Amino acid sequence: DGGITQSPKYLFRKEGQNVTLSCEQNLNHDAMYWYRQDPGQGLRLIYYSQIVNDFQKGDIAEGYSVSREKKESFPLTVTSAQKNPTAFYLCASSADRVGYNEQFFGPGTRLTVL
Amino acid sequence: AQKVTQAQTEISVVEKEDVTLDCVYETRDTTYYLFWYKQPPSGELVFLIRRNSFDEQNEISGRYSWNFQKSTSSFNFTITASQVVDSAVYFCALSEGIKAAGNKLTFGGGTRVLVKP
Repeated sequence: DGGITQSPKYLFRKEGQNVTLSCEQNLNHDAMYWYRQDPGQGLRLIYYSQIVNDFQKGDIAEGYSVSREKKESFPLTVTSAQKNPTAFYLCASSADRVGYNEQFFGPGTRLTVL
Repeated sequence: AQKVTQAQTEISVVEKEDVTLDCVYETRDTTYYLFWYKQPPSGELVFLIRRNSFDEQNEISGRYSWNFQKSTSSFNFTITASQVVDSAVYFCALSEGIKAAGNKLTFGGGTRVLVKP
């Protein structure tokens, strides 16, 4: 089945460590996105990529990094520079067709800093 | 800058009651898209509907209906005859421009709907 997978589902990190969250899609979508969701709040955009080897900062990019070496994959690294990384992280993708730009989301990764 | 406001943080109803979720948006663009997503307790966001700024026709899909009014910058969502499975957080979102992909979504804060049996 086509869709978006994220791994791991739960991730625990010690302070000062970098961690990488995986996001893979087999929908043949050009655009991919990373969002952060804090408890009781909406989603905020971290990074997005419209095409392979290109990506742009979203509203809260500080302390995060991404890469887009393959169309199917858009991993997110949470670096030690991110002051408060404990949150729920959602990856999404969308098609490159006018009028069909809704974003489809993966199941999310819940990151906890110990 | 674009902004989406969902003034209702939580709504509690008894099964079979109707529920209307409010969404008000701000944008400087004349062309834009509006979306509703559902987030069940599992956490994954489920796409419900897309509406572009040129199409103010209201829509009904099963027990769901949407009321888009450009004059008041509102895109409200109604669940008719609610069911326990409708319990979730519902998000309204806005995307500026009509570029196909790479449109950034601005989300509202969400409305938690609790349907009691």
